Amino acid sequence: GAGVSQSPRYKVAKRGQDVALRCDPISGHVSLFWYQQALGQGPEFLTYFQNEAQLDKSGLPSDRFFAERPEGSVSTLKIQRTQQEDSAVYLCASSLVAGGIPVYEQYFGPGTRLTVT
Amino acid sequence: KQEVTQIPAALSVPEGENLVLNCSFTDSAIYNLQWFRQDPGKGLTSLLLIQSSQREQTSGRLNASLDKSSGRSTLYIAASQPGDSATYLCAVVGETSGSRLTFGEGTQLTVNP
Repeated sequence: GAGVSQSPRYKVAKRGQDVALRCDPISGHVSLFWYQQALGQGPEFLTYFQNEAQLDKSGLPSDRFFAERPEGSVSTLKIQRTQQEDSAVYLCASSLVAGGIPVYEQYFGPGTRLTVT
Repeated sequence: KQEVTQIPAALSVPEGENLVLNCSFTDSAIYNLQWFRQDPGKGLTSLLLIQSSQREQTSGRLNASLDKSSGRSTLYIAASQPGDSATYLCAVVGETSGSRLTFGEGTQLTVNP
């Protein structure tokens, strides 16, 4: 079946512009995660949804970052007034859940590479 | 705060060698540990998932072990091939960190023909 998809794959934004990154999780996956990966580093957690509920947003670096998943499937990560330090790859992952315990694999999309000039 | 360390940061081996990648984590209270590979410019591909109650998992030429009490995992790759060249990442889900993965910085593997 189809995996996690993300769009756009590449985005160039001028400093100060707003951007919106989209994630389509695997069908039926209740959990959805956003991670940020700087060049040469491991991914860092941003936020987590279970269905439409945002259960953890502690990794969002500033109030310029906002994520939503209004119908419990597709999610959008929005960055307002982009800064150069926002340049990174943004990865989305999805997984199943079992009684609230995270026992299942997380499956990742190809990522969106954001470059802020 | 959970910290994950991977050693070595980079490794270059000739084709056919067996090799071991190491991962350590500071807080042993984890639900599971997952190994990934990442090819340049691509997302992460899940290789193996080990639950906290398990000691090892195998998939083809890959074998991952977990020693939860000492905070260590190893990924063993048998008979390495040039197609194995990639960055390998390990990540844990901590019992007190919700469902998030905490990643190491990866080991960049090059297998030379």
